[in-house]
Amino acid sequence: QQQVKQSPQSLIVQKGGISIINCAYENTAFDYFPWYQQFPGKGPALLIAIRPDVSEKKEGRFTISFNKSAKQFSLHIMDSQPGDSATYFCAATRRGNLIFGKGTKLSVKP
Amino acid sequence: DAGVIQSPRHEVTEMGQEVTLRCKPISGHNSLFWYRQTMMRGLELLIYFNNNVPIDDSGMPEDRFSAKMPNASFSTLKIQPSEPRDSAVYFCASSQGLGQPQHFGDGTRLSIL
Repeated sequence: QQQVKQSPQSLIVQKGGISIINCAYENTAFDYFPWYQQFPGKGPALLIAIRPDVSEKKEGRFTISFNKSAKQFSLHIMDSQPGDSATYFCAATRRGNLIFGKGTKLSVKP
Repeated sequence: DAGVIQSPRHEVTEMGQEVTLRCKPISGHNSLFWYRQTMMRGLELLIYFNNNVPIDDSGMPEDRFSAKMPNASFSTLKIQPSEPRDSAVYFCASSQGLGQPQHFGDGTRLSIL
């Protein structure tokens, strides 16, 4: 019940394309769903987050779509750029105990 | 603004030695978290504190691991004795409170030979 399942494990997208990463959770008590971006040698950096009372949140080129009934959420990166190449982690939490997905390594080809 | 500061950035030591990792959270943040990242297991929460008090240490793998937070601006994670399987990147994160966004340091890459 504590797992967060993330897919795909790796993703290659052409510059300008849309990158889509999916996550699923089991624990309905989770109330906060952040996405983190990690570059090599750096710590995860908070990218965007959503709470389950909304179905979508957009910040610039990044959008989270949230489906409470299906217990799924996804990250969409529009107009993907080579600088977006990084590892992305979804996570879920209630009161601080962040449970991370296994990560998706995104490569954006010029 | 200063982010979460971890030291050392890299540590290489021999099996059996004591290892101490240090973390300075963002000023004003009341919650502090220690994570471990490996290829096999990904990012795992080890322990977290709220207002300097340990709340949940169920992620600490063994009694060889211990963590303290003597004040609001400093925390340590200690491994004694260290083993090769402890090799990983250890991250510290802080937040303004439980359930608030967590901000990570750049980690300590630990190698136990």
